[in-house]
Amino acid sequence: QLQLQESGPGLVKPSETLSLTCTVSGGSISNSKYYWGWIRQPPGKGLEGIANINYSGNTYYNPSLESRVTISVDTSKNQFSLKLNSVTAADTAVYYCARVVLDCATGTCYKNYFDFWGQGTLVTVSS
Amino acid sequence: SYELTQPPSISVSPGQTVSMTCSGDELGDKYVYWYQQKPGQSPVVVIYEDTKRPSGIPERFSGSSSGNTATLTISGTQTMDGSDYYCQAWHGVTAVFGGGTKLTVL
Repeated sequence: QLQLQESGPGLVKPSETLSLTCTVSGGSISNSKYYWGWIRQPPGKGLEGIANINYSGNTYYNPSLESRVTISVDTSKNQFSLKLNSVTAADTAVYYCARVVLDCATGTCYKNYFDFWGQGTLVTVSS
Repeated sequence: SYELTQPPSISVSPGQTVSMTCSGDELGDKYVYWYQQKPGQSPVVVIYEDTKRPSGIPERFSGSSSGNTATLTISGTQTMDGSDYYCQAWHGVTAVFGGGTKLTVL
């Protein structure tokens, strides 16, 4: 069974950089049938897609966060990571990592749904 | 930025059928996905590609789409179905989620 586990500091100071890693177990991050993504959820609010990446390093960012976000992959460690700089209190949220199913049945590939999620990690931005 | 609109809350009595909507510009040109999220847990997909149900999801969950509105329907709602439900679509390269609908079963 595939498992994803987020790790990183639970408290980050304003203006600093939030760094999280997602470790994938029970499957290979190098599988070309999937993308890997980060989603966040502020306390009591809805979900927001942040970024996604594939094993070869093709990256895609939410335009509203693109100037502050970097997503990367380390296939040797079966991990992918998120960095969000210049954080403010508005970045306080539960951060989830998740797998994105890629559908290539028609010959053109498109991203489908998030089928496996990590348990989420709360990151609080506060001095 | 692209937005998906969902009603904030809906109530239903056990055993009844409930539907919740998700609307957005040109949504009919995109696939819609529905996730169930219970308090303190990660979301779980219950419908993908507008109408398809993943293995392990009960048959009482169904999805449909017409024009720029997608609908999630739960038939014979059970108490355990009380959750937050989020719709999601891909807008370009970005996963966009609706604001969520809190379903209360009472």
